[in-house]
Amino acid sequence: SAVISQKPSRDICQRGTSLTIQCQVDSQVTMMFWYRQQPGQSLTLIATANQGSEATYESGFVIDKFPISRPNLTFSTLTVSNMSPEDSSIYLCSVEVSSRPGYTFGSGTRLTVV
Amino acid sequence: GQSLEQPSEVTAVEGAIVQINCTYQTSGFYGLSWYQQHDGGAPTFLSYNALDGLEETGRFSSFLSRSDSYGYLLLQELQMKDSASYFCAVKSVYNQGGKLIFGQGTELSVKP
Repeated sequence: SAVISQKPSRDICQRGTSLTIQCQVDSQVTMMFWYRQQPGQSLTLIATANQGSEATYESGFVIDKFPISRPNLTFSTLTVSNMSPEDSSIYLCSVEVSSRPGYTFGSGTRLTVV
Repeated sequence: GQSLEQPSEVTAVEGAIVQINCTYQTSGFYGLSWYQQHDGGAPTFLSYNALDGLEETGRFSSFLSRSDSYGYLLLQELQMKDSASYFCAVKSVYNQGGKLIFGQGTELSVKP
């Protein structure tokens, strides 16, 4: 199965600033997914990132707030822009490896906005 | 839209069997999967059903009925370490590929 390195693992940020989260996968994958998970809640899909094209955002999420880069088949970044305390959450990246049915998740970034 | 329903919490004792149900409404259904998440950890894949029937993986089994838009996860010989949140997730396929949508999660507490 794929191994994902996600960083930072946690951060405390001032409101109005931006944070970029990185995910590196040890194999080439077509699609990478970014999720948000608020404490005690489920995972909400933010966007799907394909290499070489713009990310596809889910309802309620916009590119200006969550710009995503996907420069190659093993790497992606998610930026949380102009942060407010409501953005405090865990952010996770995920990939699907074609050789097996399940999705693999990064270890998550725990973001606190103060 | 897409929606999944599962119980918010379940309690059972060590050694018992527990079943966590999931009903879903979605377009472009491709399969139903189950994930386990311990506090502070990332979700980990448990099981996947693309076709009707039962899939068995050790102590965990998963069932799917596509005609009923229903599935369940069965955990046998419960152990304390099985205390975690369990999510059902639907994989749906659209013109740009597939995506995974999660249910709200079931918190399982295993008591001695």
